[in-house]
Amino acid sequence: ILNVEQSPQSLHVQEGDSTNFTCSFPSSNFYALHWYRWETAKSPEALFVMTLNGDEKKKGRISATLNTKEGYSYLYIKGSQPEDSATYLCAFTRMDSSYKLIFGSGTRLLVRP
Amino acid sequence: KAGVTQTPRYLIKTRGQQVTLSCSPISGHRSVSWYQQTPGQGLQFLFEYFSETQRNKGNFPGRFSGRQFSNSRSEMNVSTLELGDSALYLCASSRRDSGIQYFGAGTRLSVL
Repeated sequence: ILNVEQSPQSLHVQEGDSTNFTCSFPSSNFYALHWYRWETAKSPEALFVMTLNGDEKKKGRISATLNTKEGYSYLYIKGSQPEDSATYLCAFTRMDSSYKLIFGSGTRLLVRP
Repeated sequence: KAGVTQTPRYLIKTRGQQVTLSCSPISGHRSVSWYQQTPGQGLQFLFEYFSETQRNKGNFPGRFSGRQFSNSRSEMNVSTLELGDSALYLCASSRRDSGIQYFGAGTRLSVL
């Protein structure tokens, strides 16, 4: 993998459903993996930054895991709510440019009431 | 604590003109990065400044330039605007290289 790939591109779920997204990234020269939530007409909001293989982070109903050896991260949302509707972006940074975020194209989540 | 502030929020220009966008980072943050999002494209890195020095530049033509001032505020300039420059331009600031980057609300540029 040369770039960041996110799947699925979009997802429609019912309120209360749990869901997960995948982010794949180049595993060589890895420094950190970032997850952002981006609601329409707002700024992207940082959710997690993970650096170590096996890292797991949690914030309320949202959690994320990281596998740097195989180059993937999962984002989980438990019991989705309409306010979770947003685009979820992942971005990774390399060792030689740890300030430069390389973004995937995002997963657009729509939670129906 | 005030967030990242970008001005203006919206801008309409015509082809051939130039434009300057401004970004005020969170107080204490010395790194400012700029990103471009065009329809159908993800966020693309433009450049990053730290202590008034550009440390890296993305794959954009020389018409895109920027600078950072001693108070960490940053500007980006696009000269000889083209229709394809119509995009949302976001800036982000961070306290340190490996830390969270905090984004502004962006400047939406339309080139007619």
